[in-house]
Amino acid sequence: SQQGEEDPQALSIQEGENATMNCSYKTSINNLQWYRQNSGRGLVHLILIRSNEREKHSGRLRVTLDTSKKSSSLLITASRAADTASYFCATANSGNTPLVFGKGTRLSVIA
Amino acid sequence: NAGVTQTPKFQVLKTGQSMTLQCAQDMNHNSMYWYRQDPGMGLRLIYYSASEGTTDKGEVPNGYNVSRLNKREFSLRLESAAPSQTSVYFCASGRDTLKVEQFFGPGTRLTVL
Repeated sequence: SQQGEEDPQALSIQEGENATMNCSYKTSINNLQWYRQNSGRGLVHLILIRSNEREKHSGRLRVTLDTSKKSSSLLITASRAADTASYFCATANSGNTPLVFGKGTRLSVIA
Repeated sequence: NAGVTQTPKFQVLKTGQSMTLQCAQDMNHNSMYWYRQDPGMGLRLIYYSASEGTTDKGEVPNGYNVSRLNKREFSLRLESAAPSQTSVYFCASGRDTLKVEQFFGPGTRLTVL
């Protein structure tokens, strides 16, 4: 059963623009993670934000978490063609259960 | 340091055939996972192993079995393949608890005719 739901399902932007993806979830979480998947490859972990954190940065990535709204957003600034990929959020629930992945957002960055 | 490796990369089976997908990690991770990825469905967890010697069902375990052979290796077996099992299969591992980041293998693309 999917916990995180990404929005939008697909996003197309020009190189240099910012890309924002959102993730909503239903139950309380321990942490929320974002992953990237290039076409035909395995997922790669990008960033983890804990439930007591509100914002986190890593290079051109900025993640926010609003536990009151049960939502997170991933912002990629100054996007590049190489950022073209699918992006997934994954939630770690409070119990002793594995991560639950959403269905992903497909990002296309056009040069 | 190869990370997570999976074999084979591609496989075509006929309905009813059996096969085992192999996964190994060299990062001394405790937890290991098997997922399937279908178009529009995201990643769905088949089985996982929180630590050596334990295995648990995930969201879609029917038609599959797993073996945590040792700390490094976690195999997925299809006893009697069905066309509905056509998918891309990913193995992943995590350092300790079930809540930490996961490291993924390159995937196995399986087609069942």
